[in-house]
Amino acid sequence: DAKTTQPTSMDCAEGRAANLPCNHSTISGNEYVYWYRQIHSQGPQYIIHGLKNNETNEMASLIITEDRKSSTLILPHATLRDTAVYYCIVRSNTGNQFYFGTGTSLTVIP
Amino acid sequence: SAVISQKPSRDICQRGTSLTIQCQVDSQVTMMFWYRQQPGQSLTLIATANQGSEATYESGFVIDKFPISRPNLTFSTLTVSNMSPEDSSIYLCSARSPNYGYTFGSGTRLTVV
Repeated sequence: DAKTTQPTSMDCAEGRAANLPCNHSTISGNEYVYWYRQIHSQGPQYIIHGLKNNETNEMASLIITEDRKSSTLILPHATLRDTAVYYCIVRSNTGNQFYFGTGTSLTVIP
Repeated sequence: SAVISQKPSRDICQRGTSLTIQCQVDSQVTMMFWYRQQPGQSLTLIATANQGSEATYESGFVIDKFPISRPNLTFSTLTVSNMSPEDSSIYLCSARSPNYGYTFGSGTRLTVV
């Protein structure tokens, strides 16, 4: 599975959009991009995933570049409860395992 | 999504002893996995728990240290054997189902003294 690179940490003001980037320059054609987050002392929670089209759900939007080498997770109106570590994971549709990178620690500031 | 229950949620153990962690899923799943999360670190995959056969271990993890069982589609155990303080971590169970994707338990926080 392709490796991902994310910034170690980010801050975001409450109520503003949080844009979390992820680089996956070695991604191959059958690999999906997944985003999970881990709030302190809890297990990782699914946010969103996509292959090549942009995706949106009730939690977030996922923007994938045309060459698929990077993506951005957007939390449209960040709240204090969005403070967490966000993981970008790339997984092929034939692979079974999830391999976590280092993630981005997002702090939402009042 | 599928709900995963782990027991115990936390424990403090003496070095040299073993602890078995249980993972129960509320619906049938195709795959189950065990992860370790050391303090301040990301999650590291230990192994894939295979139903009715030996688990598939990732590089750096061995069966003698982390024996795993999966007797049916909804239950798995991970044993941390002959523990040392370096084994102090959070151990998480994960499951994959066709309908719900990948779900994670809340983890077992292990402290070895």
